[in-house]
Amino acid sequence: QSALTQPPSASGSPGQSVTISCTGTSSDVGGYNFVSWYQHHPGKAPKLLIFEVNKRPSGVPDRFSGSKSANTASLTVSGLQAEDEAEYFCSSYAGSNNVVFGGGTKLTVL
Amino acid sequence: DVQLVESGGGLVKPGGSLTLSCAASGFTFSGFYMNWARQAPGKGLEWVSSISSSSTYMYSADSVKGRFTISRDNTKNLLFLHMNSLRADDTAVYYCARDRRGYGSYYFDYWGQGTLVTVSS
Repeated sequence: QSALTQPPSASGSPGQSVTISCTGTSSDVGGYNFVSWYQHHPGKAPKLLIFEVNKRPSGVPDRFSGSKSANTASLTVSGLQAEDEAEYFCSSYAGSNNVVFGGGTKLTVL
Repeated sequence: DVQLVESGGGLVKPGGSLTLSCAASGFTFSGFYMNWARQAPGKGLEWVSSISSSSTYMYSADSVKGRFTISRDNTKNLLFLHMNSLRADDTAVYYCARDRRGYGSYYFDYWGQGTLVTVSS
């Protein structure tokens, strides 16, 4: 199973918006509405931010939003805050009970 | 609160074996699929293996098939990953994660903090 493609890095100033892309194929991102996004601070447990493309678990601020177009999913972080500096991973169901992850994007808050 | 705590990582020689454990608490463990995922140094996350709530179904990534086996003990709220024929490229932080598969979706809603496995001579 091939990993999903994410940009290795992204950055923005406090208060700005940043969008991180996650590109797959019609066999994963494009084929299912089971894209999820995770935030990972070093040494901590990854945290679920978005599931099923654009749904937020309770407790996740609405500054985090997800979308999908064809084979590319996106995570937008609005109103950037210092604590948003972390690594972000996307994931998608890929059929036959397989799950694929993206390579991760390190978000820097300038 | 849901808690997942991994243990059992360490240094092992190529070709060796290791068993990882994940202790779950704060939820009905027997009601959920569980997973192992890993992150090698400088790399992205990789899904490793999944097991259904009653151990009926088990799935693994091609990279570990035939070498790693996932299992669980619902009486003790424990998840295991038995790793054999370990290779240098198995070096990674291994995470256990709860899965919403079985509830009509596919995502990992809770994760542990991980345990480091280093394969080196």
